[in-house]
Amino acid sequence: ETGVTQSPTHLIKTRGQQVTLRCSSQSGHNTVSWYQQALGQGPQFIFQYYREEENGRGNFPPRFSGLQFPNYSSELNVNALELDDSALYLCASSLGFVGTNEQFFGPGTRLTVL
Amino acid sequence: QQQVKQSPQSLIVQKGGISIINCAYENTAFDYFPWYQQFPGKGPALLIAIRPDVSEKKEGRFTISFNKSAKQFSLHIMDSQPGDSATYFCAASWSADGLTFGKGTHLIIQP
Repeated sequence: ETGVTQSPTHLIKTRGQQVTLRCSSQSGHNTVSWYQQALGQGPQFIFQYYREEENGRGNFPPRFSGLQFPNYSSELNVNALELDDSALYLCASSLGFVGTNEQFFGPGTRLTVL
Repeated sequence: QQQVKQSPQSLIVQKGGISIINCAYENTAFDYFPWYQQFPGKGPALLIAIRPDVSEKKEGRFTISFNKSAKQFSLHIMDSQPGDSATYFCAASWSADGLTFGKGTHLIIQP
């Protein structure tokens, strides 16, 4: 059984660019959530995907969008990058919704916006 | 609006001692309260979790104490070891919503 994997590990972009981050969920998990973790802070919930549909969203603008594929892998897309978007982006998978099931986190993608 | 407040920000404990981290929440709809451990360069890993119908839960050296009326919960690490040195996050969620995390506690266990 493989855990949650994320790619790339590190990424450097410039302000105004667009970025796509990828996540492969743990085997058998049908729910993927994305979090943003700024340096020295706790993770902040961006959104959750269940069976390919967005199901729950935190306080993030529409330029943060996502997709979930039939194999339950997921992408996080961020448009019009801002300096404050520099952070560790974490993907977590679970079998069902967060409130009732354990979430398993990946190692994250470190995004730097210059 | 910070819905989960965590303290202390940092904590130094001697090997063999008890580490205590506290959290307070505001949203009474929260019904799931996990604690995560994070090492540098790694994603958070679930340590232990509790639901509001239980006042205490123990797993090995880790214990969660939950006070529903005070809207507070805490993590106790007994017989703290140098390998426990990490950042600890409390979190809360309800229904299908994502986790709301505290700001974290940087724990150092001195040999």
